[in-house]
Amino acid sequence: GNSVTQMEGPVTLSEEAFLTINCTYTATGYPSLFWYVQYPGEGLQLLLKATKADDKGSNKGFEATYRKETTSFHLEKGSVQVSDSAVYFCALYNAGGTSYGKLTFGQGTILTVHP
Amino acid sequence: ETGVTQTPRHLVMGMTNKKSLKCEQHLGHNAMYWYKQSAKKPLELMFVYNFKEQTENNSVPSRFSPECPNSSHLFLHLHTLQPEDSALYLCASSQEWGGASGNTIYFGEGSWLTVV
Repeated sequence: GNSVTQMEGPVTLSEEAFLTINCTYTATGYPSLFWYVQYPGEGLQLLLKATKADDKGSNKGFEATYRKETTSFHLEKGSVQVSDSAVYFCALYNAGGTSYGKLTFGQGTILTVHP
Repeated sequence: ETGVTQTPRHLVMGMTNKKSLKCEQHLGHNAMYWYKQSAKKPLELMFVYNFKEQTENNSVPSRFSPECPNSSHLFLHLHTLQPEDSALYLCASSQEWGGASGNTIYFGEGSWLTVV
């Protein structure tokens, strides 16, 4: 079946530091990959997505590249801000197999950015 | 603002109460979902409705009862809940369920439920 594994948190950084949150996946076929962000007290918001191998999703300074050879979709940002403090979820959507129609989430990574 | 609105945002209920969570989407989508988010587990898919028909029930206890009267509205009826049901309940929608690769799911802000 499908699964998503994220690096364990929490991650604590100083403002303007470089961020990497690792995400690897297991899936059959050709899934789409997503990063969602959840700010304190709010629901999930789509941050970026990639639908095929070598695609790069980007938004708000965040980037992630769909690497089929390493089954990875790592999230990066060159210079984080305090306002980036949130929980980040990597997710997979697979239109095939028994997971048809389901969005599979990783466990989430808590990011805290200090001034 | 994601186009998916949930009410109430916060709910405290006793174990013998009956309450409902409401979700409305303004995106013209055909598929709607209920997810549960608790501190102890990753996000769990509970129910999926596609064109008002339930297509997925992820082994959810019968004390949770979904209702989808039309493609824009989704309810989660709650009765005789347990304290361990306290969680954030997230509603979501997408253009279609199981559609082409890249089908993006949009979430509401969630309803925080506390069972006492």
